[in-house]
Amino acid sequence: GAVVSQHPSRVICKSGTSVKIECRSLDFQATTMFWYRQFPKQSLMLMATSNEGSKATYEQGVEKDKFLINHASLTLSTLTVTSAHPEDSSFYICSARGSGGQETQYFGPGTRLLVL
Amino acid sequence: GQNIDQPTEMTATEGAIVQINCTYQTSGFNGLFWYQQHAGEAPTFLSYNVLDGLEEKGRFSSFLSRSKGYSYLLLKELQMKDSASYLCAVRSGGYQKVTFGTGTKLQVIP
Repeated sequence: GAVVSQHPSRVICKSGTSVKIECRSLDFQATTMFWYRQFPKQSLMLMATSNEGSKATYEQGVEKDKFLINHASLTLSTLTVTSAHPEDSSFYICSARGSGGQETQYFGPGTRLLVL
Repeated sequence: GQNIDQPTEMTATEGAIVQINCTYQTSGFNGLFWYQQHAGEAPTFLSYNVLDGLEEKGRFSSFLSRSKGYSYLLLKELQMKDSASYLCAVRSGGYQKVTFGTGTKLQVIP
């Protein structure tokens, strides 16, 4: 099946710093990428939908100036958590869907962020 | 908005069959997914239904009734490694976004 990678897999940072997370589709072109956040023992919460070459669409309650999303190419989307705070500590997971088959949405392995 | 409901927890015996239900309310429905998620890992794809009926894939089957807003995931011949959370997710709307339910934590016991 299709492969989606994320980097880094784990990051620890100080409060107030910014963290960039990369999401890559390795063997297909992803016209749409989704960013999710998952807190412990909770389900995935969609943060934003990113279409290549256009601005991301954010879900209600997600600050677009805090969570910057760039989908500059068909294989790469980035999420930057700006001025991170401890409450931003979470498991961030990206998902990608290709332009051809519409059936499946593939997930990256996730990035665990810990803000001290 | 969307509303996706599934039981929080279930327990089943190794070798048995378990059915995990999911009900949803949404507009612009365009498919329902089931994912498996082990603790600390990303979800892995199990099944996709867009038409009514049963889709069988090995030990796993998924059923959809669009008119009832209802789906279930059926796991047969349960194995200990099937202990995980099972997430029901609905795709809908113009952006085709996928929204997840809260997940059902399944514990398989000997």
